[in-house]
Amino acid sequence: EAAVTQSPRNKVTVTGGNVTLSCRQTNSHNYMYWYRQDTGHGLRLIHYSYGAGNLQIGDVPDGYKATRTTQEDFFLLLELASPSQTSLYFCASSDSLNTLYFGAGTRLSVL
Amino acid sequence: GQQVQQSPSSLVLQEGENAELQCNFSSTATQLQWFYQSPGGSLVSLLSNPSGTKHTGRLTSTTVTKERRSSLHISSSQTTDSGTYLCAPNVGDNSKLIWGLGTSLVVNP
Repeated sequence: EAAVTQSPRNKVTVTGGNVTLSCRQTNSHNYMYWYRQDTGHGLRLIHYSYGAGNLQIGDVPDGYKATRTTQEDFFLLLELASPSQTSLYFCASSDSLNTLYFGAGTRLSVL
Repeated sequence: GQQVQQSPSSLVLQEGENAELQCNFSSTATQLQWFYQSPGGSLVSLLSNPSGTKHTGRLTSTTVTKERRSSLHISSSQTTDSGTYLCAPNVGDNSKLIWGLGTSLVVNP
């Protein structure tokens, strides 16, 4: 079974704080994604990557950086967190058929 | 850009009843996936159905690509089917998916 692990599961920070969300997949998938989910919006793509060292800009990238250090690891960085970034964040990987496998999500609160 | 409309927005059933969920999208898509989000928030892929009819277990999806619509039929619903069902087509040949807001399903015992 494909596995995507996110950490932390919950995070509280203050405005202006520095946050790193981690994602590891053991699927040997090339593609990895970061999404955010907010009430009234569908899942929105922040950044994605098709391999180590690669980064593609998604649909809502402002205020976020990402880095794919290895095939397995994809990080989302919020360097100056703002309350508008309070959200539920999902990481996913996809196989050659483009089936997405999601992590359990990280709930981030920016106070 | 691609717009995705799902209907109904919510649905309440008695256990054993069938459900029909609809997804309409505004632009040509070569991929379409249905996902389930549990009340706890976890997301799982149910099936990928860019065209035609596909079955898995109690689920049947029918996608009519040229009419830009897809449906998900859940037969003999169970309380454990409660949650949100999300439709996600791509845009043209792009692999990126665009997500609907979902149909919230409650199945009562």
